[in-house]
Amino acid sequence: NAGVMQNPRHLVRRRGQEARLRCSPMKGHSHVYWYRQLPEEGLKFMVYLQKENIIDESGMPKERFSAEFPKEGPSILRIQQVVRGDSAAYFCASSPSAGGGTEAFFGQGTRLTVV
Amino acid sequence: AQSVTQLDSQVPVFEEAPVELRCNYSSSVSVYLFWYVQYPNQGLQLLLKYLSGSTLVKGINGFEAEFNKSQTSFHLRKPSVHISDTAEYFCAVRGTRSNDYKLSFGAGTTVTVRA
Repeated sequence: NAGVMQNPRHLVRRRGQEARLRCSPMKGHSHVYWYRQLPEEGLKFMVYLQKENIIDESGMPKERFSAEFPKEGPSILRIQQVVRGDSAAYFCASSPSAGGGTEAFFGQGTRLTVV
Repeated sequence: AQSVTQLDSQVPVFEEAPVELRCNYSSSVSVYLFWYVQYPNQGLQLLLKYLSGSTLVKGINGFEAEFNKSQTSFHLRKPSVHISDTAEYFCAVRGTRSNDYKLSFGAGTTVTVRA
């Protein structure tokens, strides 16, 4: 059973370009979470999705950021018109259910650098 | 809402010496507690978690942590570290309600083990 797969591992974008980050959850997991890790900081919650539904996007910046988890295929975190402040590590996690003592399994992250 | 404070940002330690990483949390509701480890350029791996029961929790790689409700602490310890324990360690909390899914992370503690 492969773990949570994220790609690409490293992504370099120029200011103003779009960044697309992909996350394939573990087999059997229908709950996906995205977290952002800024330099020298812990991970901060961005969004929680189930198949075809955004459950909680309270941690997402209001502009330029969007996320989806379609019926088929990976979850996508999309950042439009990237700025230098978007440079960070973006981690995806998945779980078979939400809440309680359920463990969330993390991917290796996508490190986005905006130049 | 919950918050987590990791009291040490950097902990240098010699090989085979003991190490303790301190974590305090704040929450208006009861919480589950987690310690994650992040090796260089890797994702987060769960070391151990406290859900209920015995306040002393044993995890992988010889780590253990003790939950102290009165002190609102969850300090991580290892009696004898190896070079391979060099990593960043994150303390995290999550509410215990069935609809609590967000993890709140501390800023991390970087452990550097020297020979």
